[in-house]
Amino acid sequence: GAGVSQTPSNKVTEKGKYVELRCDPISGHTALYWYRQSLGQGPEFLIYFQGTGAADDSGLPNDRFFAVRPEGSVSTLKIQRTERGDSAVYLCASSSSGTSGLSSGANVLTFGAGSRLTVL
Amino acid sequence: AQSVSQHNHHVILSEAASLELGCNYSYGGTVNLFWYVQYPGQHLQLLLKYFSGDPLVKGIKGFEAEFIKSKFSFNLRKPSVQWSDTAEYFCAVKPTNDYKLSFGAGTTVTVRA
Repeated sequence: GAGVSQTPSNKVTEKGKYVELRCDPISGHTALYWYRQSLGQGPEFLIYFQGTGAADDSGLPNDRFFAVRPEGSVSTLKIQRTERGDSAVYLCASSSSGTSGLSSGANVLTFGAGSRLTVL
Repeated sequence: AQSVSQHNHHVILSEAASLELGCNYSYGGTVNLFWYVQYPGQHLQLLLKYFSGDPLVKGIKGFEAEFIKSKFSFNLRKPSVQWSDTAEYFCAVKPTNDYKLSFGAGTTVTVRA
């Protein structure tokens, strides 16, 4: 598609429930990122995919969080046993390549509109 | 790991005033630098970027930023703001040999008509 698409745009759930957030990156972009943005904060890195593999999941807060990208395109962020502290906007971004030295376009992340998660 | 510091949390100014937002980063190597903007109700958008060459870069909507390597800074400027510049502004840094983009906490800019 023309941009990064994220669904749902809003998700309200109860504490302890399971949620899935979906990201459809720009067609052809091999690099995909998940970030989390809490109120009053900048986006915080969660996980990075290069193709189908999670090259870096060091930002995932704990083992309740998991993300997949089975075919190297769409990605799903999965949160088990949600807690009130998980409430945030989850942002997805993609780029044509993750690391390309000083080259221009490959290093630019394009963000989706985000999925706002509220855990009651 | 790199970190990004934005000096101002909230800036309030009148239309036609000049704007300067500070950004400093900590990383010893070569970096790519970015400013992203988030208008009310919209998603993050790229405002401008620096990769190499002329340290003064121009972006959309009359914004510019200057990279001062010796100060590890990448301050954003606009000579004359408009009400439509009301938004949240984020500075971001990415080492050239890495994939991870790190953001500052953001500065909320409110322009009064």
